Amino acid sequence: AQTVTQSQPEMSVQEAETVTLSCTYDTSESDYYLFWYKQPPSRQMILVIRQEAYKQQNATENRFSVNFQKAAKSFSLKISDSQLGDAAMYFCAHITQGGSEKLVFGKGTKLTVNP
Amino acid sequence: EADIYQTPRYLVIGTGKKITLECSQTMGHDKMYWYQQDPGMELHLIHYSYGVNSTEKGDLSSESTVSRIRTEHFPLTLESARPSHTSQYLCASSDYGATNEKLFFGSGTQLSVL
Repeated sequence: AQTVTQSQPEMSVQEAETVTLSCTYDTSESDYYLFWYKQPPSRQMILVIRQEAYKQQNATENRFSVNFQKAAKSFSLKISDSQLGDAAMYFCAHITQGGSEKLVFGKGTKLTVNP
Repeated sequence: EADIYQTPRYLVIGTGKKITLECSQTMGHDKMYWYQQDPGMELHLIHYSYGVNSTEKGDLSSESTVSRIRTEHFPLTLESARPSHTSQYLCASSDYGATNEKLFFGSGTQLSVL
């Protein structure tokens, strides 16, 4: 069964600093996708970044980048130049290519940004 | 902002009541999903739909039911609410599916059953 583990229930970072959120996953498949979703307080969950497993290059979206280590089944999110608006719950998620529509989420990491 | 709407935002109801959580999207997406999220826990897929008249159960067993009569509408119903149903329910949609396209989420319905 697919599982996603986020070992950091809470993290904090100073404004303008860099923070890395950890995620590991377990799958027996070779083709899959990984995602980081952000859920601000009382607001809609939105996609932050997406990574295809067959791509060796790490995905980047502005201040957000990932460190994808396929062999280690690790998918960490790095937020550079943290802003107050980055404060949110961050969920790592995994889905298998060609499988069902079952996106598997981790338990989330609550990120606090200190001014 | 995503064009997917959930109502009500908060609902407090007594045991045994029938409730329907509404979810609508104006993006014309074929695929829609219902997730259940307890505080501090991961999201669990409880229902999904590939299109009109298509509904499937997700990973987490749920006593709720769904229907998809119109593309834009994917309501979730609990025939007899119980305290164990207390949770946040998130609706989502996508155009090409969860692998190829991002999910758009609604703001969620926080359900409390007394």
